[in-house]
Amino acid sequence: QSVLTQPPSASATPGQRVTISCSGSSSNIGPNFVYWYQHLPGRAPKLLIQRDSQRPSGVPDRFSGSKSGSSASLTITGLRSEDEADYYCAAWDASLGGSVVFGGGTKLTVL
Amino acid sequence: QVQLKESGPGLVKPSETLSLTCTVTGGSIDTYYWSWIRHSPGKGLEWVGCIYYGERTNYNPSLKTRVTMSLDTSNNQVSLRLSSVTTADTAIYYCARSSGSYYPGVYWGPGVSVSVSS
Repeated sequence: QSVLTQPPSASATPGQRVTISCSGSSSNIGPNFVYWYQHLPGRAPKLLIQRDSQRPSGVPDRFSGSKSGSSASLTITGLRSEDEADYYCAAWDASLGGSVVFGGGTKLTVL
Repeated sequence: QVQLKESGPGLVKPSETLSLTCTVTGGSIDTYYWSWIRHSPGKGLEWVGCIYYGERTNYNPSLKTRVTMSLDTSNNQVSLRLSSVTTADTAIYYCARSSGSYYPGVYWGPGVSVSVSS
């Protein structure tokens, strides 16, 4: 069971908007940045969002991140078929000596 | 253009030590943080640990007793050793670079598949 909780799946049709949640606690998301990664089968994960809401260069502005308290979310607008992938949130967790912890991942299906 | 490439044996026997290397081109390794992340079959991503300048390290507490990371600046390589492996260590292992934090950043290697089996 992951320290950060994500819904196992999400789905939407092309063009729609989808939001993926990530729930944590006061030892991880609360005081620390949240990062989001996209993972396509057979590919290396790709950094989508850093420091809660910043997009690295080259990431389309269809992807956005936000954080409130001990929860965070990733929103994708104008959904495309190529967005079908697994999405993971990550945060530093200060408990047990400190570690980056990932959510369990959300499988996004574009219908 | 920074590129990372993991290498190592595809098959390791239980109780043995897994050794992986991440070769970095297009930039020096001695001014960044370097993470190892793994993806086990049917599971999510797991952060293995991080090494940065001065060979400072921070390991996943659940793996801490078995993990060692090191830097080889002469060959621009980052190494991972995981001892006493079990089938639970079967995974695709990725190395990644980040700037000034433990979080994996923009640059990742393609990953190397490791199977633990007798």
